Amino acid sequence: DAKTTQPNSMESNEEEPVHLPCNHSTISGTDYIHWYRQLPSQGPEYVIHGLTSNVNNRMASLAIAEDRKSSTLILHRATLRDAAVYYCILRDVENDMRFGAGTRLTVKP
Amino acid sequence: DSGVTQTPKHLITATGQRVTLRCSPRSGDLSVYWYQQSLDQGLQFLIQYYNGEERAKGNILERFSAQQFPDLHSELNLSSLELGDSALYFCASSVFSGRSSYNEQFFGPGTRLTVL
Repeated sequence: DAKTTQPNSMESNEEEPVHLPCNHSTISGTDYIHWYRQLPSQGPEYVIHGLTSNVNNRMASLAIAEDRKSSTLILHRATLRDAAVYYCILRDVENDMRFGAGTRLTVKP
Repeated sequence: DSGVTQTPKHLITATGQRVTLRCSPRSGDLSVYWYQQSLDQGLQFLIQYYNGEERAKGNILERFSAQQFPDLHSELNLSSLELGDSALYFCASSVFSGRSSYNEQFFGPGTRLTVL
């Protein structure tokens, strides 16, 4: 399975943008980039996914490098509720999700 | 609320015992996935069922088994329990079998298993 590398932790101030990086240098052409997050004491929840083009939804934006070897999840205005562990996952249409250690995001008021 | 329900919320048992965890997927979802989350191993995929059939297997121990019933609910059976099986067990559901680029999984609140 293609592997992802994320920083263990990041900090942000409330109402500021947050850029969460993910490296996936061994990504294959059929791998989609998925992001999930896990709020404290909850199960993971879907955030966003993409293949080649940048993607936006109500929760976040996903910026994908032209060579697809890295991506960045962007939270435009962090709130206290965004404090969570963020997982970057590669999967093709046949693969099941394999979670890494993720990035623990702390949001300071 | 994801629409996925899991029971029980907490379970405390002794080593050597057997327990059953139950999951009801979101209405209309045909796939059910089981995950184990422990402090040292993180979130590990165990097994997936799609419309009653086993679809994929991950790091599931032989002491563990699962099934999906005709009404699409699923049960995860853990036997000969060991201290190391203490963990959070999550169930997730999705519409598709996995053969789709967009196959969002919706996670339940989890069952916390403590083996003493």
